[in-house]
Amino acid sequence: GQNIDQPTEMTATEGAIVQINCTYQTSGFNGLFWYQQHAGEAPTFLSYNVLDGLEEKGRFSSFLSRSKGYSYLLLKELQMKDSASYLCAVDTNAGKSTFGDGTTLTVKP
Amino acid sequence: NAGVTQTPKFQVLKTGQSMTLQCAQDMNHEYMSWYRQDPGMGLRLIHYSVGAGITDQGEVPNGYNVSRSTTEDFPLRLLSAAPSQTSVYFCATRRVTDSPLHFGNGTRLTVT
Repeated sequence: GQNIDQPTEMTATEGAIVQINCTYQTSGFNGLFWYQQHAGEAPTFLSYNVLDGLEEKGRFSSFLSRSKGYSYLLLKELQMKDSASYLCAVDTNAGKSTFGDGTTLTVKP
Repeated sequence: NAGVTQTPKFQVLKTGQSMTLQCAQDMNHEYMSWYRQDPGMGLRLIHYSVGAGITDQGEVPNGYNVSRSTTEDFPLRLLSAAPSQTSVYFCATRRVTDSPLHFGNGTRLTVT
């Protein structure tokens, strides 16, 4: 079976840095995606890792360690609009993406 | 360029009724999939297709049928709706297996 774990909720302050962790145990690994989902909306793509290391895209970075089955999403200079759910998804085989339950991030002033 | 279009946006069904959720894409993506999202839970894969004429089951396929007669369309059929199928349904497509999913805006289904 597939198992992807993320914290359920996190709270941070505007302007701060927050790290959202994701651990996974899956049968097969073809890459890990992070998506952002605002309440009542569809998920949108944030970042992708297939090799170990850090990928940086502006205020957002994502890290992957395949040997540890671990990834994190780092959000810097938090803004109120970053309040959303963050979904970790692992690609297993045949292009299937398995999602964690998501982490709801609340940014406070 | 509409991307991924889902219809309807909202639907209320009575137990036992059937209906079809529509998904159409204009991005020429081979891969299409259906997910359901329940409160506090992640997205769970119902069915997916890697190309026209090919479909396969995901994690939670029971009670749902799909077909893929064209590249553009991937309808999801509920055969006999049950309250447990109350959920938000997302259609998602991707170009190739290492590219991100593109989601439609979702269909919010309530079964009473």
